[in-house]
Amino acid sequence: DTAVSQTPKYLVTQMGNDKSIKCEQNLGHDTMYWYKQDSKKFLKIMFSYNNKELIINETVPNRFSPKSPDKAHLNLHINSLELGDSAVYFCASSQDRVYSPLHFGNGTRLTVT
Amino acid sequence: SQQGEEDPQALSIQEGENATMNCSYKTSINNLQWYRQNSGRGLVHLILIRSNEREKHSGRLRVTLDTSKKSSSLLITASRAADTASYFCATDGKYGNKLVFGAGTILRVKS
Repeated sequence: DTAVSQTPKYLVTQMGNDKSIKCEQNLGHDTMYWYKQDSKKFLKIMFSYNNKELIINETVPNRFSPKSPDKAHLNLHINSLELGDSAVYFCASSQDRVYSPLHFGNGTRLTVT
Repeated sequence: SQQGEEDPQALSIQEGENATMNCSYKTSINNLQWYRQNSGRGLVHLILIRSNEREKHSGRLRVTLDTSKKSSSLLITASRAADTASYFCATDGKYGNKLVFGAGTILRVKS
């Protein structure tokens, strides 16, 4: 009965490859997010979708493309991976845009070699 | 840019002691939230305090908010080894359209 689940948990790949991370929430929330946490634990928002519509798109390289097939799913595709993309990527969801708490998945640790 | 900054960066205490973490932010807010992150896991929401509230309690947690000083504090009373984690404050930023996290405080509770 996991609320926000993301796969895979670990992803090790080489520079230049393309990879995807999947996220699903079963909380019935309207808004989903992707956050990136760097090695110093600094957490930064990347994207936010509300009912399948993109509402936040931070300054992220266009190699990163989110896709929301329905409001329960938000996937992240990354093209031409670079060393600097190595981080932990967290999916999260909330009932509304900002005023309710975020529910996080357990993260995907991406290592680019 | 970061909105919130936690202080201290790291805190080590004995089990049973109280732990206080502080958060300062830069712009006006609608609400401020505190989260906990255990090693290798996602963040877990602890408390949300609205800008018109000054104090909020949840079990052993007490959060205060001083909007005039743009600061908040999280107090954990009677700490336990299981409280060992990173603690983050988050605010909804200048335009209230996204949650922005601070750098976190690493709390270690020694048994």
